[in-house]
Amino acid sequence: DGGITQSPKYLFRKEGQNVTLSCEQNLNHDAMYWYRQDPGQGLRLIYYSQIVNDFQKGDIAEGYSVSREKKESFPLTVTSAQKNPTAFYLCASSKLGRDTYNEQFFGPGTRLTVL
Amino acid sequence: SQKIEQNSEALNIQEGKTATLTCNYTNYSPAYLQWYRQDPGRGPVFLLLIRENEKEKRKERLKVTFDTTLKQSLFHITASQPADSATYLCALVNQAGTALIFGKGTTLSVSS
Repeated sequence: DGGITQSPKYLFRKEGQNVTLSCEQNLNHDAMYWYRQDPGQGLRLIYYSQIVNDFQKGDIAEGYSVSREKKESFPLTVTSAQKNPTAFYLCASSKLGRDTYNEQFFGPGTRLTVL
Repeated sequence: SQKIEQNSEALNIQEGKTATLTCNYTNYSPAYLQWYRQDPGRGPVFLLLIRENEKEKRKERLKVTFDTTLKQSLFHITASQPADSATYLCALVNQAGTALIFGKGTTLSVSS
């Protein structure tokens, strides 16, 4: 079964703690993305990666970090520097193609709550 | 910077009617635009992509138009059903071609 998985589905964190959200895909996609979604807001891009060992900041990268050591995996760390980390986090992946921008496949999301 | 707006936060229609959702963009001419469906608590699912040289695209009961002069895309669901109730997001590729910019979405409710 091909797809993209995120774990855990729900995550609770105490203020001041770092936490890492997992994202794995077996679609053989080159590109992976992390988004944050708040109520009434669209998806906002945190980080993206088009190739292993390389990644780029999105619109709201402050307080977050990522790594891309394997093509299949793109974990996101929410650090204590992130002021308002409570949100719904979505991971996505896509092929990269010349002259086209392929659809993004999304995981089920992780809902992070800071207590 | 590129800006994308979905005019209505919510749209309520009766079963069997056609739902029309609007997506407007400014400061940019994207090569293509995409539409996604998102159910509560779940990740978005891709529906349709339309390129700048395509005026219209259809898939079953869905139809998307792309007017590059008006900088607008319309998303139509014909013969709507309660199962079509969801949030619909439009997205356009950024100028660098490296990522998508999403609108805030329009939540469609279809009542029987």
